[in-house]
Amino acid sequence: GAGVSQTPSNKVTEKGKYVELRCDPISGHTALYWYRQSLGQGPEFLIYFQGTGAADDSGLPNDRFFAVRPEGSVSTLKIQRTERGDSAVYLCASSPSRGSPDTQYFGPGTRLTVL
Amino acid sequence: AQSVTQLGSHVSVSEGALVLLRCNYSSSVPPYLFWYVQYPNQGLQLLLKYTSAATLVKGINGFEAEFKKSETSFHLTKPSAHMSDAAEYFCAVSAGTASKLTFGTGTRLQVTL
Repeated sequence: GAGVSQTPSNKVTEKGKYVELRCDPISGHTALYWYRQSLGQGPEFLIYFQGTGAADDSGLPNDRFFAVRPEGSVSTLKIQRTERGDSAVYLCASSPSRGSPDTQYFGPGTRLTVL
Repeated sequence: AQSVTQLGSHVSVSEGALVLLRCNYSSSVPPYLFWYVQYPNQGLQLLLKYTSAATLVKGINGFEAEFKKSETSFHLTKPSAHMSDAAEYFCAVSAGTASKLTFGTGTRLQVTL
């Protein structure tokens, strides 16, 4: 079946601009996660949704970052006033919220470059 | 709080040799542990996970890992490396059944002829 998809695959923007990154989870998965992976590092947690609500947003670095999941499926990560330090690969993962522990399935990521 | 340390950012082995990738964890609660593999320009793929059912966990592509609580380790092994195993490997820990993953910094595995 279809896996997690993310669009766009690449995004180049200028410092100070606003960007939106989209994640389509696996159908039926209630949990959705966003991570950020900088060059040479492991992914770092940003935010976790259970259904439509953010269950844990402790990883968002500051108030320029915001994410929504209005219908409990597709999620959008929004970054305002982008900075060069925001350049990274943004990964999305979904899980079915069953099993112990739950397995997170990752998308291919969106590579964001802020010039 | 949870954390993961992966010893060795780069590991090189000959084809057919043993693969050993090291992972040590820290967790304030009984952990769940994972190994993921990342091929160039692809997403993370789960190799195996520790669920507390058995300390020796077998995964895909001939990989396995052993949970050792006394050593707080979850090292990944494969008896015989293949060229196709060349990739980045990440160890991760979580605190609950539906919880964020905390990743290590990764180990790049190179397989030579």
